[in-house]
Amino acid sequence: QKEVEQDPGPLSVPEGAIVSLNCTYSNSAFQYFMWYRQYSRKGPELLMYTYSSGNKEDGRFTAQVDKSSKYISLFIRDSQPSDSATYLCAMSSYSGGSYIPTFGRGTSLIVHP
Amino acid sequence: KAGVTQTPRYLIKTRGQQVTLSCSPISGHRSVSWYQQTPGQGLQFLFEYFSETQRNKGNFPGRFSGRQFSNSRSEMNVSTLELGDSALYLCASSLEGGQGNIQYFGAGTRLSVL
Repeated sequence: QKEVEQDPGPLSVPEGAIVSLNCTYSNSAFQYFMWYRQYSRKGPELLMYTYSSGNKEDGRFTAQVDKSSKYISLFIRDSQPSDSATYLCAMSSYSGGSYIPTFGRGTSLIVHP
Repeated sequence: KAGVTQTPRYLIKTRGQQVTLSCSPISGHRSVSWYQQTPGQGLQFLFEYFSETQRNKGNFPGRFSGRQFSNSRSEMNVSTLELGDSALYLCASSLEGGQGNIQYFGAGTRLSVL
């Protein structure tokens, strides 16, 4: 079993839908939780970053962390075709002087007009 | 502020050759990490450099090596290339690696091994 599990999709939704993306993890040492978006032929870009359990909102994006269940989610409201990308969850624990993230394999999202 | 720059963007090599990839971090960032991304395995951590020293290492064979220069620029080398080394190699930089280590990625170098 991988430390971080993420359904690869693809997830196809109509424009304007609410999208829910999820990851589960097994390592209790993870302290920081992140969501990255990766467009085709580009590097990942950071979307959301949280430390504790709870919700964090940024525009149309809401990140949710439930440490007791080892489960994190990213919600996208009013999804747009420009949101079509691969979404990677990542979580990090302290190692050798740094926090090294472990990534999920990514969920491919397609928002069709 | 300029982002993370990786060169070259694309490379084609044959089995047995070696390759060197380059990464220029965001100005002021001292930590540089390297990742391998493949459809089957996703993003896998190779190693992290900080102040010219390798601080963390992933689970890759010794054919994969790297270094960091005094200006924080980093290079990654893969010797004796194998077909399975075909992947997107990503470099990420961060300030120092602490406080959750918010990393900023370059566009990557796509390596094809024939």
